Amino acid sequence: EVQLVESGGELVQPGGSLVLSCVASGFTFTNYAMHWVRQAPGKGLEWVSGLGANGRDKYYINSVRGRVTISRDESRNTLYLEMKSVRAEDTARYYCVKDQSSMVTIPAAFEYWGQGTVVTVSS
Amino acid sequence: EVVLTQSPATLSLSPGERATLSCRTSQSITSSLAWYQQRPGQPPRLLIYDASKRATGVPVRFSGSGSGTDFTLTISSLEPEDFAVYFCHHRITWPPVSFGGGTKVEI
Repeated sequence: EVQLVESGGELVQPGGSLVLSCVASGFTFTNYAMHWVRQAPGKGLEWVSGLGANGRDKYYINSVRGRVTISRDESRNTLYLEMKSVRAEDTARYYCVKDQSSMVTIPAAFEYWGQGTVVTVSS
Repeated sequence: EVVLTQSPATLSLSPGERATLSCRTSQSITSSLAWYQQRPGQPPRLLIYDASKRATGVPVRFSGSGSGTDFTLTISSLEPEDFAVYFCHHRITWPPVSFGGGTKVEI
């Protein structure tokens, strides 16, 4: 059974930093691209960042580029999202998502989603 | 950037009825469209990919169709657990990934 368990979400002040983690199990982590998708309270889905299985191909939505870094640790089967200089508009539930494919540039679907972790940016 | 427009925003139906949800794209995306279901308090779940292929474990009452710019998700006979929000999504132009705004299927 595929499981994606996120953690690291918290209340953080504007301008602060945090790291989200996602521990994956039930599949060969090294074979798949992974993503972070967020959902603000009562809103729709917004893709934030994607990382290829090779660990090198990284993509970001414009609004977070330069403030956010996606990475993966194959030895820990863990995906990370490092967030810096956070803003109120970053407030959302962040979902860790497994791709159907190994490459972020292939038009595949988001196959499995974790339960998410909540980031609240407020003073 | 391809824009996905879902309609209607809300669909009010009764259990046993047929639901037809639409997703239109601002430019052709061939058949590279997926549909997700999100129940209250739950993460999204993949239902349909490549416009018409059911994901693992998805009941046969869910079907997808369409290509180019017009896509449809059909639920042939609504079960109580099907009342949820449905999102369409594509990734043929990358980045960014685009999601539709969602259709809420309510009782």
